[in-house]
Amino acid sequence: KAGVTQTPRYLIKTRGQQVTLSCSPISGHRSVSWYQQTPGQGLQFLFEYFSETQRNKGNFPGRFSGRQFSNSRSEMNVSTLELGDSALYLCASSLVSSGSNEQFFGPGTRLTVL
Amino acid sequence: AQTVTQSQPEMSVQEAETVTLSCTYDTSENNYYLFWYKQPPSRQMILVIRQEAYKQQNATENRFSVNFQKAAKSFSLKISDSQLGDTAMYFCAFTSNSGGYQKVTFGIGTKLQVIP
Repeated sequence: KAGVTQTPRYLIKTRGQQVTLSCSPISGHRSVSWYQQTPGQGLQFLFEYFSETQRNKGNFPGRFSGRQFSNSRSEMNVSTLELGDSALYLCASSLVSSGSNEQFFGPGTRLTVL
Repeated sequence: AQTVTQSQPEMSVQEAETVTLSCTYDTSENNYYLFWYKQPPSRQMILVIRQEAYKQQNATENRFSVNFQKAAKSFSLKISDSQLGDTAMYFCAFTSNSGGYQKVTFGIGTKLQVIP
């Protein structure tokens, strides 16, 4: 099976712009979670989608949004980019939305905001 | 809210030696799961080991084992016979099914360097 894929791998944007990141989960996985990884904060949970519905959300401003399509692919959008949004954005998929399930991570999208 | 604390930002170990990474967590839940994930340099994060809170027996996966102390809310990872390929960031993670939803809380990570 192919692993979790994320596109693009690298992005450079300027303040005020918006960006859309894409994540394709492992085939058959219905849960997709998004994380922001920064050196000082570790991994911060953004949100989780399961069967096209947002099941849970972390403590991020409304500029961060996402969605999931019927094929379980997910997108994350960040509007009005700020310098502090520079980070590695990781997506992870799991079979179902259950705490016992292992999460499979993608390689991440490295976002740099200038 | 759950919190996960990894108090060792960086550690190093000689090849073939044993190293223990610390993790403590705080929760009011009784049913939960704990994980150690490994993120090698410029590579994808992968699961190292998983522990169900209701199981008293410590999980073991080859050279990796945990010391799970539920009362103390401690979940340390022991790596035996360290290898160069163990060089990575290690993240301790906590998850539960609170309210029927999955939410994973990660620690800040421990950077492990295996020295030849």
